[in-house]
Amino acid sequence: QSALTQPRSVSASPGQSVSISCTGTSSDVGGYNYVSWYQQHPGKAPKLIIYDVTRRPSGVPPRFSGSKSGSTASLTISGLQADDEADYYCCSYAGSDSSRVFGGGTRVTVL
Amino acid sequence: QVQLQESGPGLVSPSQTLSLTCTVSGGSVNSAGFYWSWIRQHPGEGLEWIGHIYYNGRSFYSPSLKSRVSISVDTSKNQFSLRFTSVTAAETAVYYCARDRGGGQLDVWGQGTTVIVSS
Repeated sequence: QSALTQPRSVSASPGQSVSISCTGTSSDVGGYNYVSWYQQHPGKAPKLIIYDVTRRPSGVPPRFSGSKSGSTASLTISGLQADDEADYYCCSYAGSDSSRVFGGGTRVTVL
Repeated sequence: QVQLQESGPGLVSPSQTLSLTCTVSGGSVNSAGFYWSWIRQHPGEGLEWIGHIYYNGRSFYSPSLKSRVSISVDTSKNQFSLRFTSVTAAETAVYYCARDRGGGQLDVWGQGTTVIVSS
C-alpha cells in the first residue's frame, strides 16, 4: 500500500484556477468512488473539503471541485483567494481491511 | 456538534509504549456507521493513516504498522485509544484523532497532539 502521488507544489495568481492531481492504482483511487480532499493551514488540523470524489461538505464554497478519471483524481480551486494558500491532501479508500491511504500533499501558493 | 480532543504524554522514551486517548464530546463512539481514526504527521511531512476502529469494535490498521499498533474503545468514557509498542524516533509526529463517516470521509478532527520519542 503506497502513498498516492501528488505534485509537490502548484501556484497561481489570485482569481486564477489551479488543479491538483492525485494518482493511485486500481486498488485504491481507480477501484472506488471514495476519494476525499483535505486543506491544511500551517499548525492546524486538516479540514475536509471534498468527499466521495465530487461532493462538498456544507460550508465549503463551490470554488472547490473534485473529479476522477481512471486512477487519477483531481481537485480544482477556481477564483483563487489568498486564504487558499495551504497544503492539500487526497485520501482514498484502499479496499482490503477497510484501509485508507493519503497522498503526499501539495503546497498551493497564491502569487 | 461532535468535537474530538487528543491527550497523552508529549515525550516517550525509545522502546517504550506510546498511548494516546481521544475524547469524543457532542456525540457517541457507539454511533452506528462511524469509524474512529488515528492519523499522524511527521515533522514537515504529509499525513499517514494509522488505523481506525468501527463503531461495532472491529479495528483495522495500516499494513505497515499493524504489528505494533492497536486501537480500542471505551464506551463508558466515550473515548478511543491508540497504543503503539516499541517506539523509535520515527514515531515522533503530530497525532490526530478523527471521525470517518465511511470511505475516508474524515469530517471531524481533533487539534492534534505532538509526541516526541527521545531519551
